[in-house]
Amino acid sequence: DTGVSQNPRHKITKRGQNVTFRCDPISEHNRLYWYRQTLGQGPEFLTYFQNEAQLEKSRLLSDRFSAERPKGSFSTLEIQRTEQGDSAMYLCASSSRDIQYFGAGTRLSVL
Amino acid sequence: QKEVEQDPGPLSVPEGAIVSLNCTYSNSAFQYFMWYRQYSRKGPELLMYTYSSGNKEDGRFTAQVDKSSKYISLFIRDSQPSDSATYLCAMKEAGGTSYGKLTFGQGTILTVHP
Repeated sequence: DTGVSQNPRHKITKRGQNVTFRCDPISEHNRLYWYRQTLGQGPEFLTYFQNEAQLEKSRLLSDRFSAERPKGSFSTLEIQRTEQGDSAMYLCASSSRDIQYFGAGTRLSVL
Repeated sequence: QKEVEQDPGPLSVPEGAIVSLNCTYSNSAFQYFMWYRQYSRKGPELLMYTYSSGNKEDGRFTAQVDKSSKYISLFIRDSQPSDSATYLCAMKEAGGTSYGKLTFGQGTILTVHP
């Protein structure tokens, strides 16, 4: 078990393009979370999956954002029509009960 | 007003010093309290996890929770240069529809110089 894996580590894109990030949680963890962290701030909750069901979405998650977790394993986060304000670190965490383990994140830069 | 307030620092101390990091919160529903450490360009790593008022010790780290004052602290004894990182407090509600989502403080940047 190598922990939570996120790919890519860094994504540079032009404004208006679509991007997709992937998160592979720790095996057997049924809970998966996405957070966004901007420079100098703590992570902010975006969305939560229990197995394949998306049970909660933050109001931070605009219509341009969509997340999936098919078959309750890996998860993807897609941002459509990226804006410069989307530039941030996108963190994924997984848990089986109380403790959330974080991946190293995907750093998105929108030019 | 943010639900969790944390002094962003930065904090610079000499090696061997005792470090005190603090957070205050306004949401009475928070019942579980954590401290994460985050190195540059890495994800947060859990240091301490507590759910009751009082102290919890783990090696050089002591977490303190005062629910009546809505105040939590992390103390680092005999600080080392390898402790240089951003420290994040995090909290969550108990059960219900919160689904365990964490609410983080802003993070405190700590530098321990030799």
